[in-house]
Amino acid sequence: AQSVTQPDIHITVSEGASLELRCNYSYGATPYLFWYVQSPGQGLQLLLKYFSGDTLVQGIKGFEAEFKRSQSSFNLRKPSVHWSDAAEYFCALQGGGGGNKLTFGTGTQLKVEL
Amino acid sequence: DAGVTQSPTHLIKTRGQQVTLRCSPKSGHDTVSWYQQALGQGPQFIFQYYEEEERQRGNFPDRFSGHQFPNYSSELNVNALLLGDSALYLCASSYRRSQAYNEQFFGPGTRLTVL
Repeated sequence: AQSVTQPDIHITVSEGASLELRCNYSYGATPYLFWYVQSPGQGLQLLLKYFSGDTLVQGIKGFEAEFKRSQSSFNLRKPSVHWSDAAEYFCALQGGGGGNKLTFGTGTQLKVEL
Repeated sequence: DAGVTQSPTHLIKTRGQQVTLRCSPKSGHDTVSWYQQALGQGPQFIFQYYEEEERQRGNFPDRFSGHQFPNYSSELNVNALLLGDSALYLCASSYRRSQAYNEQFFGPGTRLTVL
């Protein structure tokens, strides 16, 4: 079975501060990993994805994530948070073998203090 | 390109009723997946349609059924609604090039409230 854990339900940071959102996964092989963002009343927008190769991946809006196989982690980072980054962030996993079902974590709600 | 569209935006039903939600995929996409997102939770995979057939299914009861039309649009039907079916229902579309990863694009969702 595959699963994704996001340990932090809520995180509050000051505007301009750095951000790291944690994601751990469980899967029998190397999965495809994703980070999505969801603003209130909106669908999910893909921030970045990891398939293979370079373990540090760059995404949109200045976000990056690092895949660490030894820790089964795929943490999302941003050097300087903007007020517009306040939203809910979801880590997701897609296993191989056909089909592209996504398994999501429970999400981390980010609040940005001005 | 209109992206993935869903209708209606909001819906209120009572227990025991039936509901149909609709999704039009992004232009050029041929695969549609449905997810249920309960309040405070991450999306949960319901099922996926490709070539008008259900190809993969998550852990949802038979009350949840779907259909894909020749133009690749899709419907999600839920029978005998329960209070616990209240959620945001998300549709995602993709292009099934191979067995490898195909990026999914999500619609804005339909908010279903069951009273």
